[in-house]
Amino acid sequence: DTGVSQNPRHKITKRGQNVTFRCDPISEHNRLYWYRQTLGQGPEFLTYFQNEAQLEKSRLLSDRFSAERPKGSFSTLEIQRTEQGDSAMYLCASSHGHGGNEQFFGPGTRLTVL
Amino acid sequence: AQKITQTQPGMFVQEKEAVTLDCTYDTSDPSYGLFWYKQPSSGEMIFLIYQGSYDQQNATEGRYSLNFQKARKSANLVISASQLGDSAMYFCAMREDTNAGKSTFGDGTTLTVKP
Repeated sequence: DTGVSQNPRHKITKRGQNVTFRCDPISEHNRLYWYRQTLGQGPEFLTYFQNEAQLEKSRLLSDRFSAERPKGSFSTLEIQRTEQGDSAMYLCASSHGHGGNEQFFGPGTRLTVL
Repeated sequence: AQKITQTQPGMFVQEKEAVTLDCTYDTSDPSYGLFWYKQPSSGEMIFLIYQGSYDQQNATEGRYSLNFQKARKSANLVISASQLGDSAMYFCAMREDTNAGKSTFGDGTTLTVKP
């Protein structure tokens, strides 16, 4: 399977705990994106990487959120001191580059904060 | 700031008929791309069709076509010969070429195809 993969698919945690999600993009894609999607809404942009460089972060990404892509391949998104408002689907996507190249999405990680 | 508006929360269509899903956008960037994605109940986002702001012709991909009206800033998706498997959430999205990392999505339209 050469699509975008995300792990875990589901995560249930207690408020105040830290969580980390992983995204493995399509291997030849140099751009990687993180989005958050809540029920009934479209995905909201969080951040993106070109190779290992994090080029943009949304203001939605508070200081409790951090993302890395250390070798320009897989990426991790960590949420520290989770809050109930962090409950959402976290989507990862990758693409060759910008312009007309569509983003290919992974299946998402659904986070539930109790 | 870029913004996408999808005014139809839900749409119904009879199987084998055509349906149009509306999308309007706002941007000050002269160069941008418009995308449509399908999200079935399984949750995965599936790319359908792309239109560049400088493309002279409307994009088509099989049963999907994009009715691009640049002056009106609209990019409506037309699905011809609807199938039961087309029932899903549909999202319109835009990416400005000067801000090439970020895509902005609308809130989606839920399409239900009736047999």
